[in-house]
Amino acid sequence: DQQVKQNSPSLSVQEGRISILNCDYTNSMFDYFLWYKKYPAEGPTFLISISSIKDKNEDGRFTVFLNKSAKHLSLHIVPSQPGDSAVYFCAASRNSGYSTLTFGKGTMLLVSP
Amino acid sequence: GAGVSQSPSNKVTEKGKDVELRCDPISGHTALYWYRQRLGQGLEFLIYFQGNSAPDKSGLPSDRFSAERTGESVSTLTIQRTQQEDSAVYLCASSTSGGEYQETQYFGPGTRLLVL
Repeated sequence: DQQVKQNSPSLSVQEGRISILNCDYTNSMFDYFLWYKKYPAEGPTFLISISSIKDKNEDGRFTVFLNKSAKHLSLHIVPSQPGDSAVYFCAASRNSGYSTLTFGKGTMLLVSP
Repeated sequence: GAGVSQSPSNKVTEKGKDVELRCDPISGHTALYWYRQRLGQGLEFLIYFQGNSAPDKSGLPSDRFSAERTGESVSTLTIQRTQQEDSAVYLCASSTSGGEYQETQYFGPGTRLLVL
């Protein structure tokens, strides 16, 4: 039973447009959410996170939105750049105390020039 | 500074053989995690080490899997009598602590294991 779901395996966007990556979760105990980006042959790198006490967190071109009632979060990248082409993983955990990360299957983003 | 390193980067082995994977965490990071990613899947948690506490082994898929960590340094993940379903990328991550708040985990490049 997948607790973190990324239903779109891939997404194609033109350079300069907005990329929206979606993530749904089922475990209501999750209260901390992260996005990781992964290039081929490299490990995932942390991108941005959000605590459940917020509904938005912004860092440069990257914004994460959290809708707790819908158990849904999304990552917006604007404007998208070809260097953003990578696999994006959504992850969730409990922020209180030690907790492992539960990952989605990832969405491959391709930004074309 | 140096990031998380893992060795070997690639490993091909025959079914039934044992393999040992190594992870060098970022210096000073007390928490160390092992994950694996099978083809088309997300990352699955395997095991977690925090300082001198007993490790959380709840993610290990079978007793053929084991891991050790000496203090707050190197960790080795051992898979005995490998099976074809063990083929995956094995990722190691470290963080500054697994304490009160979730700390960012920094990942190594992974070891790609192929069991023939």
